[in-house]
Amino acid sequence: QVQLQESGPGLVKPSQTLSLTCTVSGGSISSGGYYWSWIRQHPGKGLEWIGYIYYSGSTYYNPSLKSRVTISVDTSKNQFSLKLSSVTAADTAVYYCARERSSPPDAFDIWGQGTMVTVSS
Amino acid sequence: SYVLTQPPSVSVAPGQTARITCGGNNIGSKSVHWYQQKPGQAPVLVVYDDSDRPSGIPERFSGSNSGNTATLTISRVEAGDEADYYCQVWDSSSDLRVFGGGTKLTVL
Repeated sequence: QVQLQESGPGLVKPSQTLSLTCTVSGGSISSGGYYWSWIRQHPGKGLEWIGYIYYSGSTYYNPSLKSRVTISVDTSKNQFSLKLSSVTAADTAVYYCARERSSPPDAFDIWGQGTMVTVSS
Repeated sequence: SYVLTQPPSVSVAPGQTARITCGGNNIGSKSVHWYQQKPGQAPVLVVYDDSDRPSGIPERFSGSNSGNTATLTISRVEAGDEADYYCQVWDSSSDLRVFGGGTKLTVL
């Protein structure tokens, strides 16, 4: 079955760019039919949707983060990535990648295990 | 933007029924999804499209949605059901995915 796995640095310095990758196994991003999202959870808090990408490269970002977020896809590697620029301590969170059925948007049916990112000097 | 409101906590004795609500303006017109999250783990989808269950989710988990309130019902609650539960919708007017604040279910 499809599995997602996040990877990337666990510590990022303030003002730098947070970069994470989600590797998809057991299925192909290129097959379509799904949005591939990033979601984060601040320590002890709720879930916040960051944005999604479709295999074609089309994206949509949460307006609250839009100015700092870039999500990209590499279909040859079956991966999609998150970049969040100009990070501060407020970006410290567990970051999840997740799959969502498209047309119309549906539930997040598969999640990665999550990766903790701490913003600190 | 669209807002989903959940009670911070719900407590129930083992074997009883837990009901977790999710309030939103005319939420009955949207599809509501529910996730279970245990400490240190990723969320798991337990109910989608108001009342459907993914394979592997016990029949004890059910959902309903009408008017301004969606409800996740857990029958015959077990100690293993203790977790945080989140509701989520797609807001078609903004194309945003919106989560409720979460409800901590405590099994007494």
